[in-house]
This record gives sequence, C-alpha cells and structure tokens, in this order.
Amino acid sequence: DSGVTQTPKHLITATGQRVTLRCSPRSGDLSVYWYQQSLDQGLQFLIQYYNGEERAKGNILERFSAQQFPDLHSELNLSSLELGDSALYFCASSFRTGSADTQYFGPGTRLTVL
Amino acid sequence: DQQVKQNSPSLSVQEGRISILNCDYTNSMFDYFLWYKKYPAEGPTFLISISSIKDKNEDGRFTVFLNKSAKHLSLHIVPSQPGDSAVYFCAASLTGNQFYFGTGTSLTVIP
Repeated sequence: DSGVTQTPKHLITATGQRVTLRCSPRSGDLSVYWYQQSLDQGLQFLIQYYNGEERAKGNILERFSAQQFPDLHSELNLSSLELGDSALYFCASSFRTGSADTQYFGPGTRLTVL
Repeated sequence: DQQVKQNSPSLSVQEGRISILNCDYTNSMFDYFLWYKKYPAEGPTFLISISSIKDKNEDGRFTVFLNKSAKHLSLHIVPSQPGDSAVYFCAASLTGNQFYFGTGTSLTVIP
C-alpha cells in the first residue's frame, strides 16, 4: 500500500459526459501528479501540482483540467468524453518536487467510455 | 513523440539467471532516470534511479547502467526470482517537472 488513494476504482460512462477522479496523496506529500495509461501505451504525464499550485503540464487535453485543494487532495476533471479517453488514470504523490523525489502511485482509476 | 522507448514488450528468464531490461531515450536534457515495477491491478512502485551525472547505481539485486553517449539505460536483476515477474517501466525526468515513461517490458521469471 503506497498510501495514495484514488476514487473511484472503476468508472463507466458515456461519450459526451463529464467525470471527476479524486486523489488523496500520502500524508505529508505536497506534490501530486496525474498520468494516463491507455491500452499498450506507457504512462503519459498529464499535469503536476505542488502545494496547491500548478507546477508542470504534460500532454493534457484542453477538455481535461485538474486542481489541488488546500487539504492537498487533487481532482482530475474530464469533460466531453470520447471513446479514446478510456484508460487507466494514475495519481502519484511526492514530498517535494524534483527529479530525485520518489513518486508513490495510487492503484489507479479505470475509466471506460461507451 | 515517444521520448523514452522500451523496444522489448516482453522478456522471459530462468530463475537465478540475469534479467536485462533495456530503455532508449532521445532527449539529452533528461537529468534523472528511474525504473518502476508494476504488478497487475496496482500502481507502479519505484525500484531504482540514477542521476545523469552517474553511469551506474546499485541496490541489492538491482543495478541500473546509464550510457549517455548512446542515450541508453538498462536494468540488471541478478539473480532473478519468480517474484520479480512484473511489468517494468523506464522513466526519464526533465528538471523534476516533466516525466516521460516508456511503454513497459513484461518480465516473466520461470521457476
């Protein structure tokens, strides 16, 4: 158990809908990262927050947005969903932000768009 | 554009032998490289890392080698154990703000 929790575990929805994925980082961690893993793909870095502020952006679509709240939990909002958005979405946390800072991953949320 | 590539989707090794997992990258600005291990239905877990200023890092049975001129890194597991069977992801970091992962290599250690 990494100490990072993600809810829900599974989510099934329809095209055009909007969903929110939630992540609670390990106690004491200030950084949260979001990743997308599509079928046969590596993890694609989406976005990073550090202590409530957006720190870095990766391949995140404009239809997707995220935020980190004062209690440091984070939410990833996915809107106007398309079939291709079906994927595993992972959240990770680390104490600081930096290359050498170990990221601890949650178990992921599996999103299925029908 | 895949900046980190793992060209072998799978690898099978006998228990007790060496497992060598390979990774290539394209961006010479990467300053840190990491290996993660992933079991089914779990998130990736950190295994070992190496700074771009080093060429080798060892942690128990796991050793990572970095060849900057070839833009290549490898993970050696010696001796391999059945519990090492998992998907291994190579990752590279750009100043700690951007992380790029490979597509993973599925390692099977045969008892």
